[in-house]
Amino acid sequence: QKEVEQNSGPLSVPEGAIASLNCTYSDRGSQSFFWYRQYSGKSPELIMSIYSNGDKEDGRFTAQLNKASQYVSLLIRDSQPSDSATYLCAGETSNTGKLIFGQGTTLQVKP
Amino acid sequence: EADIYQTPRYLVIGTGKKITLECSQTMGHDKMYWYQQDPGMELHLIHYSYGVNSTEKGDLSSESTVSRIRTEHFPLTLESARPSHTSQYLCASSKGYGYTFGSGTRLTVV
Repeated sequence: QKEVEQNSGPLSVPEGAIASLNCTYSDRGSQSFFWYRQYSGKSPELIMSIYSNGDKEDGRFTAQLNKASQYVSLLIRDSQPSDSATYLCAGETSNTGKLIFGQGTTLQVKP
Repeated sequence: EADIYQTPRYLVIGTGKKITLECSQTMGHDKMYWYQQDPGMELHLIHYSYGVNSTEKGDLSSESTVSRIRTEHFPLTLESARPSHTSQYLCASSKGYGYTFGSGTRLTVV
């Protein structure tokens, strides 16, 4: 079992819809989680961080963390074609502080 | 705007050549990382450093080496490049709240 797991997709949504990206993790001691967006051929860019249970909203993005279920999600409201990218979930390991990345979910937003 | 710089951005080099990929950051971050990523594939950690004179190998075995003589500088060296080293190399730094990535170096070994 991978330490951070994501469905590789692709996840296809129509423009204007809500895109829901999900991630599970195995390290119960992990406290911090991050969502990165990576456009094709580019480097990952941090878009959201979340440290406590519940929701955190930033513009069209909402990150959700449920530590009991070891589950992290990213909601993108009013999806735009420019949101089409690979989204990487990462959790900070409890013993080393390194980030463990999932394999990424490819999102396609169709006009 | 990210203050972590990687050079060169693209590099095409012949088999057997020695190469050094440069990574510098101006944020004073103690932790720095090198990742390897093939197109459409996941990130693989190949080296990391938690401070000056501290370097460790990552999860993916790599024939490259790194050094950390200054906080801001974390170069990666391949003594003898091979076609199997063709990939994108990403440098990142951190002070504990997520990583900031450089723009990457796309290496092609012919």
